[in-house]
Amino acid sequence: AQSVSQHNHHVILSEAASLELGCNYSYGGTVNLFWYVQYPGQHLQLLLKYFSGDPLVKGIKGFEAEFIKSKFSFNLRKPSVQWSDTAEYFCAVNTGGFKTIFGAGTRLFVKA
Amino acid sequence: DGGITQSPKYLFRKEGQNVTLSCEQNLNHDAMYWYRQDPGQGLRLIYYSQIVNDFQKGDIAEGYSVSREKKESFPLTVTSAQKNPTAFYLCASSKEGRSQNTGELFFGEGSRLTVL
Repeated sequence: AQSVSQHNHHVILSEAASLELGCNYSYGGTVNLFWYVQYPGQHLQLLLKYFSGDPLVKGIKGFEAEFIKSKFSFNLRKPSVQWSDTAEYFCAVNTGGFKTIFGAGTRLFVKA
Repeated sequence: DGGITQSPKYLFRKEGQNVTLSCEQNLNHDAMYWYRQDPGQGLRLIYYSQIVNDFQKGDIAEGYSVSREKKESFPLTVTSAQKNPTAFYLCASSKEGRSQNTGELFFGEGSRLTVL
């Protein structure tokens, strides 16, 4: 069965630190990849997406993610986090059907 | 503004009672979804609907029912058969219907159900 693994369930960083959240999926075919973010008290929203083309994709608020097909990975990065990045981050994979599979989520807390 | 509206935001019910959660969208999207979010488990798909009058079971459909009588509306009923109904429920939509789905989802703000 298809699955998505997020390696870190909780991450605590100080402001200005660099962030990398890991995401691996299990599916050998073509995939569409997503990172969603859920800020405290807000609805889940799209951070960035990859469908095809340049494997390095840029999203909102300075986030980027790199698709490495050989590693089945789609890690999320940000060079310098801010207190306002405190949120829960979800990696998600879609293989063309109507079932998008989500990872368990990573709770990021940024200390001011 | 276009979006997805879920109601109620918070709901408390006694065991054995059925509960219906509302989801309305004005994005003119064909497909709609219900996910359940539990701490440490991410989002799990309950039901989805590609078009009006059609819906399919997701990964955890037992104890739930849905209807899709209108394009804009996709209510979810949590029945007394659902063994662990306390959770955060998210409704979502996507543009595509029967054509290939990219998987890009637009979410409502969620409904938190607590069964006492």
